[in-house]
Amino acid sequence: AQSVTQLDSQVPVFEEAPVELRCNYSSSVSVYLFWYVQYPNQGLQLLLKYLSGSTLVKGINGFEAEFNKSQTSFHLRKPSVHISDTAEYFCAVSEGGGSNYKLTFGKGTLLTVNP
Amino acid sequence: NAGVTQTPKFQVLKTGQSMTLQCAQDMNHEYMSWYRQDPGMGLRLIHYSVGAGITDQGEVPNGYNVSRSTTEDFPLRLLSAAPSQTSVYFCASSLSGTGGYEQYFGPGTRLTVT
Repeated sequence: AQSVTQLDSQVPVFEEAPVELRCNYSSSVSVYLFWYVQYPNQGLQLLLKYLSGSTLVKGINGFEAEFNKSQTSFHLRKPSVHISDTAEYFCAVSEGGGSNYKLTFGKGTLLTVNP
Repeated sequence: NAGVTQTPKFQVLKTGQSMTLQCAQDMNHEYMSWYRQDPGMGLRLIHYSVGAGITDQGEVPNGYNVSRSTTEDFPLRLLSAAPSQTSVYFCASSLSGTGGYEQYFGPGTRLTVT
């Protein structure tokens, strides 16, 4: 069985500061990794995903994430955040190949960007 | 495309009542799923379907039923509502297969059981 741990439940930062949201996973098989964002009172939308290949993945809104197989991590980063990045961020994992549509989510990290 | 639509947006039920949450998608996606979101718990998979006539249980299926008679629709039924089912429910859809496809989420249904 796979699991996802998001190490911080809340991350407050000031506008234009860099941010890193941490995600670790465990799985006995190869995995696909995802970051989703949820703005207040909305559904989730995909920020970026890692399937294979380059371990640095770029997504929408200036976010990027790095897959580290040895540390089983997939941390999300942005060099300079905006007020509009305030949202909850979810890391998710699915099995690579096979039943790869079944997502296991972390508990979420609430990013609050202050002026 | 409307994407994934869910109705209703809000619902209040009394304990023991039944209801159906509706979900529809117009992207011809084979895979559809239902999640519940509770504070501090992330999203947990309730039921999923890989095509019309095929459904299976996820992590937290108790108290919920699903069926999939068409590609477009995937309703979630609460048979006898309990306060523990107070939650926000999300429906999602995607292509199926080995491609690691993006899941598209609906706007959610906020359910309160009193």
